[in-house]
Amino acid sequence: AQSVTQPDIHITVSEGASLELRCNYSYGATPYLFWYVQSPGQGLQLLLKYFSGDTLVQGIKGFEAEFKRSQSSFNLRKPSVHWSDAAEYFCAVGAGGYNKLIFGAGTRLAVHP
Amino acid sequence: NAGVTQTPKFQVLKTGQSMTLQCAQDMNHEYMSWYRQDPGMGLRLIHYSVGAGITDQGEVPNGYNVSRSTTEDFPLRLLSAAPSQTSVYFCASSYSEGAGQGYTFGSGTRLTVV
Repeated sequence: AQSVTQPDIHITVSEGASLELRCNYSYGATPYLFWYVQSPGQGLQLLLKYFSGDTLVQGIKGFEAEFKRSQSSFNLRKPSVHWSDAAEYFCAVGAGGYNKLIFGAGTRLAVHP
Repeated sequence: NAGVTQTPKFQVLKTGQSMTLQCAQDMNHEYMSWYRQDPGMGLRLIHYSVGAGITDQGEVPNGYNVSRSTTEDFPLRLLSAAPSQTSVYFCASSYSEGAGQGYTFGSGTRLTVV
């Protein structure tokens, strides 16, 4: 069965520090992978997505993610975090047809000034 | 503004009451879905639709009904509310079927069942 694991429930970083959020997936075929961000009281906003091709994907707000098939991972990175990046981040995998997405449990990011 | 509109934003129900959560999109998206979000569990798919007149169950469909009479609207009905249905509900839409299309999410409905 398809699944997504985000090992870190909470992460705290200092403003200006680099960030890496981990995501591991379980899926038999070539996955479609996504990262979404959710600010408090808001819906989810798509940060970036991977379908095929270049394994390093650039997204909005300065985020990038790297697909590593050998590790079944799709980690999200940002070189320098801003206070406005404090939010909850969700990794998701596209599971077969009908556009179903399976989400991880999320990682809540706090940013210290 | 184009997007996915959910109403109401907040709702409190008594156990056993029924209600309908509304979802509308103006992007001519074929695919629409309902998710519930619970702490520590991410988002779980309740029901989805690949076009007007076509709906199917997701991961957690029990206690919920949907219909899709138009491309724009995809209401979610709670038949007899239970405290276990206390959650935040998100509607989402995207172009066409096939995994790989990013969703556009609504801002959510926070439901409390007492």
